[in-house]
Amino acid sequence: DVKVTQSSRYLVKRTGEKVFLECVQDMDHENMFWYRQDPGLGLRLIYFSYDVKMKEKGDIPEGYSVSREKKERFSLILESASTNQTSMYLCASFGQGEAGELFFGEGSRLTVL
Amino acid sequence: EDQVTQSPEALRLQEGESSSLNCSYTVSGLRGLFWYRQDPGKGPEFLFTLYSAGEEKEKERLKATLTKKESFLHITAPKPEDSATYLCAVQAWNSGYALNFGKGTSLLVTP
Repeated sequence: DVKVTQSSRYLVKRTGEKVFLECVQDMDHENMFWYRQDPGLGLRLIYFSYDVKMKEKGDIPEGYSVSREKKERFSLILESASTNQTSMYLCASFGQGEAGELFFGEGSRLTVL
Repeated sequence: EDQVTQSPEALRLQEGESSSLNCSYTVSGLRGLFWYRQDPGKGPEFLFTLYSAGEEKEKERLKATLTKKESFLHITAPKPEDSATYLCAVQAWNSGYALNFGKGTSLLVTP
């Protein structure tokens, strides 16, 4: 079974702190994604990566950065957390040439106080 | 700009009462339309991918269909364990494999 693992299920941080959300997949997928999910707004794409060291902005990249140093790992970084970044963060991966399933992790619920 | 609209936002059914969820979309070059199920506090779980108008896929009590403008998720004789949020998403050829999601339909099935 494909597995996408997010390192932290629940985090509580203070305004201004630097936050790292880690995601690891075990299926050698080229493409990885970070979404955030908020009530009434659905899932919105923050950043994605189609290869090691490559990254592309999604719909809402402001306030975020990403890092992809290894194929299996895709990190989301909040340089200076703010209260409006309180959300559920979902990582996903997708393999080129496959039938077309985007695999999601269990999510990381971040609260910024 | 790609758009995905799901309706209704919420649906309450009695056990055994069949119904359909709608997903209307506009996209510049559809690569695939996806349906996911999401339980509270968990990541979305893949259900179906549809690629071309007229295509249908089934899994247990669920059946997904696709036209050029919309997709339906038909739920036949639902059970309480079918209660979840159902998400629709489109993938365009120029999206780099990213999915654009609708806001979901929250389904509650009561005994």
